[in-house]
Amino acid sequence: DAGVIQSPRHEVTEMGQEVTLRCKPISGHNSLFWYRQTMMRGLELLIYFNNNVPIDDSGMPEDRFSAKMPNASFSTLKIQPSEPRDSAVYFCASSIKGQRLAGGDQETQYFGPGTRLLVL
Amino acid sequence: AQKITQTQPGMFVQEKEAVTLDCTYDTSDPSYGLFWYKQPSSGEMIFLIYQGSYDQQNATEGRYSLNFQKARKSANLVISASQLGDSAMYFCAMSPPDFGNEKLTFGTGTRLTIIP
Repeated sequence: DAGVIQSPRHEVTEMGQEVTLRCKPISGHNSLFWYRQTMMRGLELLIYFNNNVPIDDSGMPEDRFSAKMPNASFSTLKIQPSEPRDSAVYFCASSIKGQRLAGGDQETQYFGPGTRLLVL
Repeated sequence: AQKITQTQPGMFVQEKEAVTLDCTYDTSDPSYGLFWYKQPSSGEMIFLIYQGSYDQQNATEGRYSLNFQKARKSANLVISASQLGDSAMYFCAMSPPDFGNEKLTFGTGTRLTIIP
């Protein structure tokens, strides 16, 4: 089965440009997460969706960042306008939201390969 | 608030030896999940192993096992018979007590280097 798919894998852009990152979660998963990873701050959760609905966007840095999930198989993270401090690796992850059962890993988040963003 | 602590920023281990990566956590809730992820130099985050707080037995997945000591609030990852391909960053993570809230809290990671 295909894992989480992200595109592009690498993006180099100039400050002020719009950047759109894309994610396709694992089929059947109903929760989707966007993370950002930097050396200084480690892994940070930006936003997550459940059944295509944004549940918590408290990690979104500022209004320049927006995320959408128009259907169960696709999500975007947009940065407009981009700034050099947005340079990071952006991960998308998906999981099945369900009961936490002993011996199971139903809540495990599976990560995509990440998008390495460089804003010049 | 939840907190994950990984006190070993880096470790060097001889190939074929066993490795223990430390992870301690802080929570007051009895229900939570603990995870370990591996991040090789290529950058992807690979899920390794999961332990539920109510699981009676320590989780195992091939060469990986999780030494779960609930009273000490520790969830150490043990890698048996280490291989060169085990060289990577390893992150411990915790899911929240409220299962309606799915934010994972990650530790700062441990960089493991396997020496031939």
